[in-house]
Amino acid sequence: AAGVIQSPRHLIKEKRETATLKCYPIPRHDTVYWYQQGPGQDPQFLISFYEKMQSDKGSIPDRFSAQQFSDYHSELNMSSLELGDSALYFCASSLGRGREQYFGPGTRLTVT
Amino acid sequence: DQQVKQNSPSLSVQEGRISILNCDYTNSMFDYFLWYKKYPAEGPTFLISISSIKDKNEDGRFTVFLNKSAKHLSLHIVPSQPGDSAVYFCAASEGGGYQKVTFGTGTKLQVIP
Repeated sequence: AAGVIQSPRHLIKEKRETATLKCYPIPRHDTVYWYQQGPGQDPQFLISFYEKMQSDKGSIPDRFSAQQFSDYHSELNMSSLELGDSALYFCASSLGRGREQYFGPGTRLTVT
Repeated sequence: DQQVKQNSPSLSVQEGRISILNCDYTNSMFDYFLWYKKYPAEGPTFLISISSIKDKNEDGRFTVFLNKSAKHLSLHIVPSQPGDSAVYFCAASEGGGYQKVTFGTGTKLQVIP
């Protein structure tokens, strides 16, 4: 069965650079969530979208922005990168009000 | 403020025995609970869930128990298999739909052959 696709899987950036992470949800899923997992930490919710509209917002820095496109894929844009942004970024998708979220493999961002 | 807590960071169990992973929560608004399994370098994989209107849900070797009065849930794996070795996250959400999931800190399960 098709799963959530995230690209790239690994990304290395320098401080103050920008990064764009992409997420392709499971086909027919219309809700996308972004999470950040720092070293040794649990995943922390950043932001979610339903039908291309932002549906919930968590601890997402102002330097980050995200959107969901007409084909339901989502992009997380990160600017003025800091060392502390180094983490695993997970995208998850669900179908409408479905309570189960299905996660992608994550993008490992390293900021040097 | 950790709203979902897994007090045991690690657990070792013999193959064939029962694994019991525990989780406590503080937010009484949580009404849906999930367990995820995570291997290194992979995303969390959904295992099993339970609504707050139930106190037990079973799926094959996995059973989740919910005690709302104690704000406690547990995941039982019977029998445990070496392939079950992973980090298990308890998670919770509140309200209806489009809701973020709040994760616990995870328990690393090792099943010894």
